[in-house]
Amino acid sequence: GNSVTQMEGPVTLSEEAFLTINCTYTATGYPSLFWYVQYPGEGLQLLLKATKADDKGSNKGFEATYRKETTSFHLEKGSVQVSDSAVYFCALSGQGGSEKLVFGKGTKLTVNP
Amino acid sequence: ETGVTQTPRHLVMGMTNKKSLKCEQHLGHNAMYWYKQSAKKPLELMFVYSLEERVENNSVPSRFSPECPNSSHLFLHLHTLQPEDSALYLCASSQGNDKYQETQYFGPGTRLLVL
Repeated sequence: GNSVTQMEGPVTLSEEAFLTINCTYTATGYPSLFWYVQYPGEGLQLLLKATKADDKGSNKGFEATYRKETTSFHLEKGSVQVSDSAVYFCALSGQGGSEKLVFGKGTKLTVNP
Repeated sequence: ETGVTQTPRHLVMGMTNKKSLKCEQHLGHNAMYWYKQSAKKPLELMFVYSLEERVENNSVPSRFSPECPNSSHLFLHLHTLQPEDSALYLCASSQGNDKYQETQYFGPGTRLLVL
């Protein structure tokens, strides 16, 4: 079945540091890929998505590129801020007639001033 | 600010109580979902409704009973829960039309504690 593996946290960075959160997936066909973010005390929010190979999703300075050859969708940001502290979830939506999302376990990011 | 609201935001209940969680979406979506989020676990999909019909039930115990009276509202009725059911319960909705590019919009969740 479809699955998502993302790097274990927690990740702690200083403000303005470079961020990478790794995500790899297993799926048949051509899934859509997503990054969701959950700020403390809130539900999940869509951060960015990509629906086909080589697409780059971007939002709020975050980027991720859909790499079919390496089955990866790593999240990057060049300069993190304290306000980026949150839990980040990688997810995929399968191409099989199913509407459900499959999530990774989440990576907690803490950015210190 | 999201188009999906959930009430209550926090709930404490005993194992013999009956309570209900409510979700409402203002996005005109056709599909709604219940997820369970426990510490150190991936989000667990519990139920999926499409056009008010249940299309998925992921082996959830019968002490959780969903209800979808219309496409804008979704309930989760709870009875005789166990302490291990304590978690954040998230509701989400999606358009329900484009299965390959589906984006789900989440509510803020209900933090449930079962004593």
